[in-house]
Amino acid sequence: DGGITQSPKYLFRKEGQNVTLSCEQNLNHDAMYWYRQDPGQGLRLIYYSQIVNDFQKGDIAEGYSVSREKKESFPLTVTSAQKNPTAFYLCASSSGGAFNQPQHFGDGTRLSIL
Amino acid sequence: GQQVMQIPQYQHVQEGEDFTTYCNSSTTLSNIQWYKQRPGGHPVFLIQLVKSGEVKKQKRLTFQFGEAKKNSSLHITATQTTDVGTYFCAGRGGADGLTFGKGTHLIIQP
Repeated sequence: DGGITQSPKYLFRKEGQNVTLSCEQNLNHDAMYWYRQDPGQGLRLIYYSQIVNDFQKGDIAEGYSVSREKKESFPLTVTSAQKNPTAFYLCASSSGGAFNQPQHFGDGTRLSIL
Repeated sequence: GQQVMQIPQYQHVQEGEDFTTYCNSSTTLSNIQWYKQRPGGHPVFLIQLVKSGEVKKQKRLTFQFGEAKKNSSLHITATQTTDVGTYFCAGRGGADGLTFGKGTHLIIQP
């Protein structure tokens, strides 16, 4: 089945540690996105990529980094500079131009601080 | 920056009653999307509206896009327990991406 796979499902971070969240898609979509969801909140855009080797900052990029070396992969690193990383992280992809096509979401990664 | 307000935040209904959630944008939108997120799940795309005044139906769900393309609504007729979840609108005002509303949590009492 085509879809988006995020791993791990749960992740714990220690103080001063960088952690990387994985996102892989086999939908052959050009655009990929990372969102953060906090309780009772909508989704906020962290980074997005419309093509391999190119990505753009979203509304809350500080403390995060991404790479897009392959079309199917868009990993997100939560750095130690992100002081409040506890949240639900959602990866999505879409065909065609960014933000004007339906977004398909993975099951998410829940990140907590130890 | 662009803001998308969504109301109500929570809605309790009896099974069989109707439900409506509303979105209002601070700027004119080029398109608006609606998503449903079940408890513990991920958002699932429902529909996209692009044209001024557009109305689209999916079985018991009716989606509207305002004439000024600054507001939208989702109406569910005769709710069922399977409708439980959080409904999000997401509007695109420019090249900067989709702005999601905070969602309306639909709680259904049997």
